[in-house]
Amino acid sequence: RKEVEQDPGPFNVPEGATVAFNCTYSNSASQSFFWYRQDCRKEPKLLMSVYSSGNEDGRFTAQLNRASQYISLLIRDSKLSDSATYLCVVNVGTGGFKTIFGAGTRLFVKA
Amino acid sequence: EAGVTQSPTHLIKTRGQQVTLRCSPISGHTSVYWYQQALGLGLQFLLWYDEGEERNRGNFPPRFSGRQFPNYSSELNVNALELEDSALYLCASSGDVYEQYFGPGTRLTVT
Repeated sequence: RKEVEQDPGPFNVPEGATVAFNCTYSNSASQSFFWYRQDCRKEPKLLMSVYSSGNEDGRFTAQLNRASQYISLLIRDSKLSDSATYLCVVNVGTGGFKTIFGAGTRLFVKA
Repeated sequence: EAGVTQSPTHLIKTRGQQVTLRCSPISGHTSVYWYQQALGLGLQFLLWYDEGEERNRGNFPPRFSGRQFPNYSSELNVNALELEDSALYLCASSGDVYEQYFGPGTRLTVT
């Protein structure tokens, strides 16, 4: 079983749609959680950190459920520019942690 | 504020050769991380340096090594290159909070 699992997609949605990405992690020693986006052949860019209380940044909302070992990202009012691969990222362990990237979920937003 | 920089941008090497990749972190960041992303695949954690020390390494053979200098810049060395080492090598840096910011990467082709 992969340490971080995501639905590979692709998700094809029209502009203005709401889309949700899910991610599960297997290691209960996971300490910190993030969502990144990666455009084709570019470096990943930090979208947001994910906190137990949930956090929102404009059209983006992230949630963490430690009991279920589950992270989510909600994008409201999708824009064409949201088309990218969304990566779920988990830091596992304390002190000398390892950063584990999910394989990513592809999103295509169409006019 | 300048972001993470990496050099060179592209590199072509022959199987069996050695290569050194370089990374300069964001000013004030003391941690540097290295990742490998083979074409069409996810990011694989290679190495983490903090304050000049190696804090953790991923599941890669010893011919992948590196170091961090007093100015927090870092080098990744790969010896005895193999064809499957062809990939995008990404460097990221972080400060007190474990949010990682990525450089544009070095694209290595081994022939």
